[in-house]
Amino acid sequence: AQSVTQPDIHITVSEGASLELRCNYSYGATPYLFWYVQSPGQGLQLLLKYFSGDTLVQGIKGFEAEFKRSQSSFNLRKPSVHWSDAAEYFCAVGPRGSQGNLIFGKGTKLSVKP
Amino acid sequence: DAMVIQNPRYQVTQFGKPVTLSCSQTLNHNVMYWYQQKSSQAPKLLFHYYDKDFNNEADTPDNFQSRRPNTSFCFLDIRSPGLGDAAMYLCATSATGTSYEQFFGPGTRLTVL
Repeated sequence: AQSVTQPDIHITVSEGASLELRCNYSYGATPYLFWYVQSPGQGLQLLLKYFSGDTLVQGIKGFEAEFKRSQSSFNLRKPSVHWSDAAEYFCAVGPRGSQGNLIFGKGTKLSVKP
Repeated sequence: DAMVIQNPRYQVTQFGKPVTLSCSQTLNHNVMYWYQQKSSQAPKLLFHYYDKDFNNEADTPDNFQSRRPNTSFCFLDIRSPGLGDAAMYLCATSATGTSYEQFFGPGTRLTVL
């Protein structure tokens, strides 16, 4: 069955510290991969996406993610977290080359300590 | 700026009273989606339109219907809202043959009294 696992429900980091949010997927073939961020009461904003090519992708707001095929993972990283990064982060996968449905993970809530 | 707009942002309805949520887009995307997101959960796809073709998810209750009168607008109708339908409803769009990225609106928070 197709699924996305985000093993960490809630993470707290200190401002200025590095961050890594984990995402593993189960899919028939290598899917398209996405990370979205959702601030409280808001819609989802795309941080970055992976379709092909370089497995390290850069996104907005200083985020990056690395696709590791052997581990079926697409972890999100940021070298120095800002207080404004506090939000919910969703990993999602979609079928390659078609307008199919996204499958979302359950999300990781990020809190930032001053 | 091109965007996805949802109205209203907050909607309160009574148990069993029909309600309609609205989504419009200026992106000229041919695919539009409706998601339901309950508190602290992932968005769950209800249905989507591929151009004029309606695609319903197998587990979407019959209580939920949708209309897409033109490319720009899409409506979510809840015929008889129950307490369990209280959620954030997200509209998204995408364009075929491009990046397959979905662009989300800000959502409508539905409260059922």
